[in-house]
Amino acid sequence: NAGVTQTPKFQVLKTGQSMTLQCAQDMNHEYMSWYRQDPGMGLRLIHYSVGAGITDQGEVPNGYNVSRSTTEDFPLRLLSAAPSQTSVYFCASSYGGSVSGNTIYFGEGSWLTVV
Amino acid sequence: GEDVEQSLFLSVREGDSSVINCTYTDSSSTYLYWYKQEPGAGLQLLTYIFSNMDMKQDQRLTVLLNKKDKHLSLRIADTQTGDSAIYFCAESNNNQGGKLIFGQGTELSVKP
Repeated sequence: NAGVTQTPKFQVLKTGQSMTLQCAQDMNHEYMSWYRQDPGMGLRLIHYSVGAGITDQGEVPNGYNVSRSTTEDFPLRLLSAAPSQTSVYFCASSYGGSVSGNTIYFGEGSWLTVV
Repeated sequence: GEDVEQSLFLSVREGDSSVINCTYTDSSSTYLYWYKQEPGAGLQLLTYIFSNMDMKQDQRLTVLLNKKDKHLSLRIADTQTGDSAIYFCAESNNNQGGKLIFGQGTELSVKP
């Protein structure tokens, strides 16, 4: 049981390049989400999904796209990277409906630097 | 929108108790969480409390919830140098599924 797997763990991009952060979970969770973590600001929600085919914006969605074609995968796309997107990105998943505290799982994080 | 606030730094001596405080604004919060993050690592769920509870104890950790004042605290008894980390408070409610609102994090420094 791998839990929530994020790749890559580290990435350096040039301004204007595109890339996709991958997130996969093997727990058949309905809910998946992406957060970014910046110093002194905690984690902020970028996009989330309540099931395959359904996505919605979080607090800081600009510059990012997501899709949810399968229950297992929730990739985060940066279409044209900007230095302001330098951050640590976390993917999370949980069961749908009532949220139980011990069923929100986080990936290990992806460290992204845009130069 | 909903907001979660924490103080940014706390310094204690080894063996003392640490108390990390958090306030939140969402009156419909269902669960409140404490996560620990060590340098360069991901988030580790320490404990959580359901909103109809006042207190939860788990070994050295005690969580107190004052729902009227929307105040949450995490007490770490007999703090050790290995407890040095950033601690995040977060809240969610049943209407938002797996969405969490996080505080800014409190950096706990434990001095020998």
